[in-house]
Amino acid sequence: AQTVTQSQPEMSVQEAETVTLSCTYDTSESDYYLFWYKQPPSRQMILVIRQEAYKQQNATENRFSVNFQKAAKSFSLKISDSQLGDAAMYFCAYRSGRTGTASKLTFGTGTRLQVTL
Amino acid sequence: DTAVSQTPKYLVTQMGNDKSIKCEQNLGHDTMYWYKQDSKKFLKIMFSYNNKELIINETVPNRFSPKSPDKAHLNLHINSLELGDSAVYFCASSQWGAGETQYFGPGTRLLVL
Repeated sequence: AQTVTQSQPEMSVQEAETVTLSCTYDTSESDYYLFWYKQPPSRQMILVIRQEAYKQQNATENRFSVNFQKAAKSFSLKISDSQLGDAAMYFCAYRSGRTGTASKLTFGTGTRLQVTL
Repeated sequence: DTAVSQTPKYLVTQMGNDKSIKCEQNLGHDTMYWYKQDSKKFLKIMFSYNNKELIINETVPNRFSPKSPDKAHLNLHINSLELGDSAVYFCASSQWGAGETQYFGPGTRLLVL
């Protein structure tokens, strides 16, 4: 079974600075997808970024980028120019490349990000 | 327009009661999911339906019964509620296919007293 580990329960960053959230995963599959979701105090789960394992290029979405190291099974999220609105819980998630019963998301335990002035 | 909606957003009830949570998506997706987020914020899959067919049924007490009347709706009925059922329940949807992104509803906070 796949597992996802987020070893940083809490992180803090100053506004306008850069922060990196860590995520590692364990799988025997070669085809899979990785996601970062953001959960602000409103509770809504918002997709931040996704990465296909078969792509070597790291995904980027505006101020958000990932460092995907497939051999190391590492998938960290970098937030540049942090803003107050980035304060939230961030969840790393894994999805198998297979369909059907494997289509579920397996989540890490989350990292709470604080953004200070 | 809300893509994935859930009703109610909050549910407070007594132990032993039966309750339902409804989910609707207007994204045209054919696959829907229920996830549970416990008090420690851990998210875990409960069920998934594809085209009204149950495809994922994790180890969940049989007091929980999902129902999908059509591709756009997935409801969750809970019988004989227990204190441990208190959690946030999220509905999500995606298009069938490897790697398709799942989009989440706003969640339903259930509190069992």
